[in-house]
Amino acid sequence: QQQVKQSPQSLIVQKGGIPIINCAYENTAFDYFPWYQQFPGKGPALLIAIRPDVSEKKEGRFTISFNKSAKQFSLHIMDSQPGDSATYFCAARYNQGGKLIFGQGTELSVKP
Amino acid sequence: DAGVIQSPRHEVTEMGQEVTLRCKPISGHNSLFWYRQTMMRGLELLIYFNNNVPIDDSGMPEDRFSAKMPNASFSTLKIQPSEPRDSAVYFCASSKTGGASGELFFGEGSRLTVL
Repeated sequence: QQQVKQSPQSLIVQKGGIPIINCAYENTAFDYFPWYQQFPGKGPALLIAIRPDVSEKKEGRFTISFNKSAKQFSLHIMDSQPGDSATYFCAARYNQGGKLIFGQGTELSVKP
Repeated sequence: DAGVIQSPRHEVTEMGQEVTLRCKPISGHNSLFWYRQTMMRGLELLIYFNNNVPIDDSGMPEDRFSAKMPNASFSTLKIQPSEPRDSAVYFCASSKTGGASGELFFGEGSRLTVL
């Protein structure tokens, strides 16, 4: 049973485009929703995160939109660059200090 | 500061052999997680520890897998006997439980190939 569903599986955009990656969850016990970025041969690294009492969070070119009633959240990358090409994972955490459940990942390619 | 350190980075072994993966978490972190990454299944949580105590091992595939954390600075994941389907990248991550961000810091992974 997949607790965090992520789409699309892969995404190709041109430089300057705005890729959007979507995630959905079912369990209302989740209290923290981070996005991780992974480059080939490396471990995932935290990119940006949001808590369910906030509808939007922006850090630089990265924005999370959160819809608590729909149990959905998404990552937008403004003015995407070839250096943003990586695999992106959404995740959800059970209560403070609990385990982090990841979505399936989205492989993003930004073409020059 | 040093990040999460995993060893070995690469391991190639034959089916039936014992495999031991090692992890040193970030000093001061009291939660440790073992994840497995494959193309088919993505990032799966295998087990996690709080203050060296296993809290949830429901993701451990079967009895061939075992994990220990004898102290705050060391953990092992053992597979015995190994099978080809265990081939994957195994990540260790640590965090500070109760920290405001709850951020997980991942190591660079151990790539396991079982022939």
